[in-house]
Amino acid sequence: QVQLQESGPGLVKPSETLSLTCTVSGGSTSSYYWSWIRQPPGKGLEWIGYIYYSGSTNYNPSLKSRVTISIDTSKNQFSLKLTSVTAADTAVYYCARVTYIKSSYHYYMDVWGKGTTVTVSS
Amino acid sequence: DIQMTQSPSSLSASVGDRVTVTCRASQSISNYLNWYQHKPGKAPKLLIYAASNLQSGVPSRFSVSGSGTDFTLTITSLQPEDFATYYCQQSYSTPYTFGQGTKLDIK
Repeated sequence: QVQLQESGPGLVKPSETLSLTCTVSGGSTSSYYWSWIRQPPGKGLEWIGYIYYSGSTNYNPSLKSRVTISIDTSKNQFSLKLTSVTAADTAVYYCARVTYIKSSYHYYMDVWGKGTTVTVSS
Repeated sequence: DIQMTQSPSSLSASVGDRVTVTCRASQSISNYLNWYQHKPGKAPKLLIYAASNLQSGVPSRFSVSGSGTDFTLTITSLQPEDFATYYCQQSYSTPYTFGQGTKLDIK
């Protein structure tokens, strides 16, 4: 059974870079798309972006200038970097596997991590 | 971006009740609609994908309908484990967007 686990600092200073890693167990990152989603306190879910195992990416335009998602298939991990963070980036960050149906281009996030809380504060 | 609007935002119900959650898209998304269940401190769980397909292991008391802009998720005979927050999400175009969530709690 595939499981995902987020890891990284729980506290980041304003203007610095938030860095998180998602480790995939019970399966391989050498297929599928892999995504990051976040949920600020008291708010809904926001899709950050995804990466294909080949390395191609797709980011939310609202964050595109500050986001980089990368993948290391040899370690079965993918990562998120978000630069120049502010208090508005305080959120629970989730990683997820994205499955897609080739014939119809349906994409859905079928396996999620439990999330990790990141607070931006000095 | 496609806006997803859920109603109601919160809902109180009892075990055994039937409840319906509505999700509306700001433009037609055909059947590119997924539903998730989320409990505090846990990983969100995929319930429904492509508008009408129950994810493996999801009980048949969950049902869905809709296409285009209007969708509904119905839970018949609520069980204690169903009390959670439910989100719809469109995958018609990026950026993928979610509804604001419907929190279902025990009356």
